[in-house]
Amino acid sequence: AQTVTQSQPEMSVQEAETVTLSCTYDTSESDYYLFWYKQPPSRQMILVIRQEAYKQQNATENRFSVNFQKAAKSFSLKISDSQLGDAAMYFCAWAFGGRSGKSTFGDGTTLTVKP
Amino acid sequence: GAVVSQHPSWVICKSGTSVKIECRSLDFQATTMFWYRQFPKQSLMLMATSNEGSKATYEQGVEKDKFLINHASLTLSTLTVTSAHPEDSSFYICSALTLDPAKNIQYFGAGTRLSVL
Repeated sequence: AQTVTQSQPEMSVQEAETVTLSCTYDTSESDYYLFWYKQPPSRQMILVIRQEAYKQQNATENRFSVNFQKAAKSFSLKISDSQLGDAAMYFCAWAFGGRSGKSTFGDGTTLTVKP
Repeated sequence: GAVVSQHPSWVICKSGTSVKIECRSLDFQATTMFWYRQFPKQSLMLMATSNEGSKATYEQGVEKDKFLINHASLTLSTLTVTSAHPEDSSFYICSALTLDPAKNIQYFGAGTRLSVL
Protein backbone atom coordinates (compact mmCIF):
# COMPACT_ATOMS: atom_id res chain seq x y z
CA ALA A 1 0.00 0.00 0.00
CA GLN A 2 1.04 3.55 -0.65
CA THR A 3 1.53 6.05 2.14
CA VAL A 4 1.96 9.81 2.06
CA THR A 5 3.35 11.68 5.06
CA GLN A 6 3.19 15.39 5.68
CA SER A 7 5.13 16.01 8.87
CA GLN A 8 4.13 19.66 9.29
CA PRO A 9 0.52 20.02 10.49
CA GLU A 10 0.88 23.81 10.48
CA MET A 11 3.22 26.31 8.89
CA SER A 12 3.28 30.06 8.75
CA VAL A 13 5.03 32.51 6.48
CA GLN A 14 5.33 36.24 6.22
CA GLU A 15 3.78 37.81 3.16
CA ALA A 16 6.28 38.03 0.28
CA GLU A 17 8.56 35.45 1.90
CA THR A 18 9.24 31.87 0.81
CA VAL A 19 8.00 28.73 2.51
CA THR A 20 8.59 25.04 1.90
CA LEU A 21 6.08 22.33 2.73
CA SER A 22 7.41 18.82 3.20
CA CYS A 23 6.04 15.55 1.87
CA THR A 24 7.43 12.03 1.83
CA TYR A 25 5.84 8.98 0.34
CA ASP A 26 6.34 5.27 0.15
CA THR A 27 5.52 3.07 -2.82
CA SER A 28 6.83 0.07 -4.69
CA GLU A 29 5.22 1.23 -7.93
CA SER A 30 7.38 2.55 -10.75
CA ASP A 31 4.66 4.42 -12.65
CA TYR A 32 3.04 7.12 -10.57
CA TYR A 33 2.30 10.80 -10.23
CA LEU A 34 2.65 13.23 -7.38
CA PHE A 35 0.47 16.25 -6.73
CA TRP A 36 0.07 19.19 -4.44
CA TYR A 37 -3.48 20.41 -3.90
CA LYS A 38 -4.69 23.52 -2.16
CA GLN A 39 -7.91 23.56 -0.16
CA PRO A 40 -8.95 27.07 0.90
CA PRO A 41 -11.72 27.72 3.42
CA SER A 42 -14.28 27.23 0.64
CA ARG A 43 -13.08 23.57 0.66
CA GLN A 44 -12.80 23.48 -3.14
CA MET A 45 -9.77 21.35 -3.98
CA ILE A 46 -7.46 23.12 -6.41
CA LEU A 47 -4.56 21.50 -8.22
CA VAL A 48 -1.38 23.45 -7.53
CA ILE A 49 1.27 21.39 -9.24
CA ARG A 50 1.81 17.93 -10.72
CA GLN A 51 4.92 15.80 -11.21
CA GLU A 52 5.37 12.66 -13.27
CA ALA A 53 7.65 10.23 -11.46
CA TYR A 54 9.58 9.38 -14.62
CA LYS A 55 10.60 13.00 -15.13
CA GLN A 56 13.71 14.15 -13.33
CA GLN A 57 13.03 17.81 -13.94
CA ASN A 58 11.19 19.49 -11.10
CA ALA A 59 7.79 20.91 -11.99
CA THR A 60 7.15 24.64 -11.65
CA GLU A 61 3.98 26.71 -11.89
CA ASN A 62 4.63 30.42 -11.48
CA ARG A 63 5.42 30.96 -7.77
CA PHE A 64 5.09 27.27 -6.97
CA SER A 65 7.84 24.73 -7.50
CA VAL A 66 8.67 21.29 -6.23
CA ASN A 67 11.82 19.54 -5.15
CA PHE A 68 11.32 15.95 -6.28
CA GLN A 69 13.86 13.52 -4.86
CA LYS A 70 12.79 10.16 -6.23
CA ALA A 71 15.39 8.03 -4.44
CA ALA A 72 14.56 9.66 -1.14
CA LYS A 73 10.82 9.54 -1.94
CA SER A 74 10.51 13.18 -1.09
CA PHE A 75 8.29 15.76 -2.80
CA SER A 76 8.39 19.19 -1.19
CA LEU A 77 6.52 22.29 -2.32
CA LYS A 78 8.13 25.71 -2.36
CA ILE A 79 5.94 28.79 -2.45
CA SER A 80 7.80 31.96 -3.36
CA ASP A 81 6.62 35.52 -2.77
CA SER A 82 3.81 34.25 -0.54
CA GLN A 83 0.50 36.04 -0.85
CA LEU A 84 -2.43 36.29 1.53
CA GLY A 85 -4.46 34.22 -0.91
CA ASP A 86 -2.05 31.33 -0.48
CA ALA A 87 -3.43 30.69 3.00
CA ALA A 88 -5.08 27.28 2.86
CA MET A 89 -4.66 23.64 3.69
CA TYR A 90 -2.20 21.95 1.35
CA PHE A 91 -2.37 18.26 0.56
CA CYS A 92 0.34 16.16 -0.99
CA ALA A 93 -1.01 13.24 -2.99
CA TRP A 94 0.32 10.16 -4.75
CA ALA A 95 -1.55 8.57 -7.66
CA PHE A 96 -1.18 5.41 -9.68
CA GLY A 97 -0.08 5.91 -13.26
CA GLY A 98 -1.98 4.72 -16.29
CA ARG A 99 -5.76 4.78 -16.28
CA SER A 100 -6.23 4.08 -12.59
CA GLY A 101 -5.64 7.52 -11.15
CA LYS A 102 -6.43 6.23 -7.68
CA SER A 103 -4.85 8.56 -5.15
CA THR A 104 -3.57 8.56 -1.60
CA PHE A 105 -3.52 11.87 0.25
CA GLY A 106 -1.36 13.10 3.09
CA ASP A 107 -2.90 14.53 6.24
CA GLY A 108 -2.37 18.09 5.06
CA THR A 109 -0.47 21.18 6.15
CA THR A 110 -2.33 24.31 7.17
CA LEU A 111 -0.50 27.34 5.85
CA THR A 112 -1.01 30.73 7.45
CA VAL A 113 0.24 33.85 5.67
CA LYS A 114 0.97 36.80 7.91
CA PRO A 115 0.60 40.31 6.51
CA GLY B 1 -10.12 24.37 -17.46
CA ALA B 2 -12.20 21.31 -16.71
CA VAL B 3 -15.18 21.85 -14.44
CA VAL B 4 -16.85 19.38 -12.14
CA SER B 5 -20.24 20.31 -10.76
CA GLN B 6 -21.38 18.74 -7.51
CA HIS B 7 -24.93 19.14 -6.25
CA PRO B 8 -26.27 19.87 -3.72
CA SER B 9 -23.65 21.87 -1.88
CA TRP B 10 -25.42 21.43 1.45
CA VAL B 11 -28.18 19.10 2.48
CA ILE B 12 -29.93 18.56 5.79
CA CYS B 13 -32.02 15.44 6.20
CA LYS B 14 -33.79 13.46 8.86
CA SER B 15 -32.35 10.25 10.21
CA GLY B 16 -33.52 7.26 8.19
CA THR B 17 -33.99 9.08 4.91
CA SER B 18 -31.85 8.74 1.79
CA VAL B 19 -29.87 11.48 0.13
CA LYS B 20 -28.54 11.59 -3.43
CA ILE B 21 -25.48 13.61 -4.41
CA GLU B 22 -24.71 14.26 -8.07
CA CYS B 23 -21.30 14.75 -9.65
CA ARG B 24 -21.11 15.98 -13.24
CA SER B 25 -18.15 16.67 -15.47
CA LEU B 26 -19.34 19.66 -17.48
CA ASP B 27 -16.90 19.98 -20.33
CA PHE B 28 -15.11 16.66 -20.50
CA GLN B 29 -15.88 12.96 -20.34
CA ALA B 30 -14.77 10.88 -17.40
CA THR B 31 -14.84 7.10 -17.33
CA THR B 32 -13.62 7.22 -13.76
CA MET B 33 -14.88 9.30 -10.88
CA PHE B 34 -13.92 9.12 -7.23
CA TRP B 35 -15.91 9.74 -4.09
CA TYR B 36 -14.20 10.99 -0.95
CA ARG B 37 -15.26 11.75 2.56
CA GLN B 38 -13.58 14.46 4.60
CA PHE B 39 -13.95 15.23 8.27
CA PRO B 40 -13.14 18.75 9.53
CA LYS B 41 -9.46 19.61 9.24
CA GLN B 42 -8.64 16.10 8.12
CA SER B 43 -7.52 14.49 4.91
CA LEU B 44 -9.62 13.12 2.10
CA MET B 45 -10.56 9.50 2.57
CA LEU B 46 -11.31 7.60 -0.63
CA MET B 47 -14.63 5.83 -0.34
CA ALA B 48 -15.02 4.33 -3.79
CA THR B 49 -14.02 4.45 -7.41
CA SER B 50 -16.86 4.86 -9.85
CA ASN B 51 -16.43 3.46 -13.36
CA GLU B 52 -18.86 4.23 -16.16
CA GLY B 53 -20.93 1.21 -17.06
CA SER B 54 -19.65 -1.05 -14.32
CA LYS B 55 -19.96 -1.58 -10.60
CA ALA B 56 -18.14 0.76 -8.28
CA THR B 57 -15.11 -0.43 -6.38
CA TYR B 58 -15.37 0.30 -2.67
CA GLU B 59 -12.50 0.80 -0.28
CA GLN B 60 -12.14 -1.49 2.68
CA GLY B 61 -14.49 -0.59 5.48
CA VAL B 62 -16.96 1.32 3.29
CA GLU B 63 -20.44 -0.21 3.28
CA LYS B 64 -21.55 -0.56 -0.34
CA ASP B 65 -25.18 -0.99 0.68
CA LYS B 66 -25.03 2.25 2.65
CA PHE B 67 -23.27 4.29 -0.01
CA LEU B 68 -24.75 3.42 -3.40
CA ILE B 69 -22.82 4.64 -6.41
CA ASN B 70 -24.13 4.80 -9.95
CA HIS B 71 -22.02 5.95 -12.91
CA ALA B 72 -24.60 5.86 -15.68
CA SER B 73 -22.85 8.05 -18.24
CA LEU B 74 -19.46 9.50 -19.07
CA THR B 75 -20.40 12.74 -17.35
CA LEU B 76 -22.49 11.75 -14.34
CA SER B 77 -21.91 9.77 -11.17
CA THR B 78 -24.24 9.74 -8.17
CA LEU B 79 -23.71 8.81 -4.55
CA THR B 80 -26.78 7.86 -2.55
CA VAL B 81 -26.49 7.69 1.20
CA THR B 82 -29.21 5.26 2.20
CA SER B 83 -30.98 5.34 5.55
CA ALA B 84 -28.74 8.15 6.70
CA HIS B 85 -27.83 8.46 10.35
CA PRO B 86 -26.07 11.25 12.26
CA GLU B 87 -22.73 9.46 11.99
CA ASP B 88 -22.99 9.83 8.20
CA SER B 89 -22.81 13.59 8.60
CA SER B 90 -19.69 14.73 6.81
CA PHE B 91 -18.29 16.54 3.81
CA TYR B 92 -18.41 14.48 0.63
CA ILE B 93 -16.26 15.35 -2.38
CA CYS B 94 -16.30 13.88 -5.86
CA SER B 95 -13.64 14.09 -8.53
CA ALA B 96 -13.49 13.16 -12.20
CA LEU B 97 -10.42 11.76 -13.88
CA THR B 98 -9.49 13.01 -17.33
CA LEU B 99 -9.58 10.38 -20.07
CA ASP B 100 -6.03 11.13 -21.12
CA PRO B 101 -3.89 8.75 -19.04
CA ALA B 102 -0.85 10.83 -19.81
CA LYS B 103 -2.35 13.66 -17.81
CA ASN B 104 -3.85 11.65 -14.95
CA ILE B 105 -5.50 14.70 -13.44
CA GLN B 106 -8.47 14.68 -11.11
CA TYR B 107 -10.80 17.64 -11.14
CA PHE B 108 -12.79 18.10 -7.99
CA GLY B 109 -16.33 19.14 -7.27
CA ALA B 110 -16.94 21.78 -4.64
CA GLY B 111 -18.19 19.22 -2.15
CA THR B 112 -21.44 18.47 -0.36
CA ARG B 113 -21.98 19.07 3.31
CA LEU B 114 -24.37 16.46 4.66
CA SER B 115 -26.03 17.03 8.01
CA VAL B 116 -28.23 14.23 9.34
CA LEU B 117 -30.53 15.20 12.19
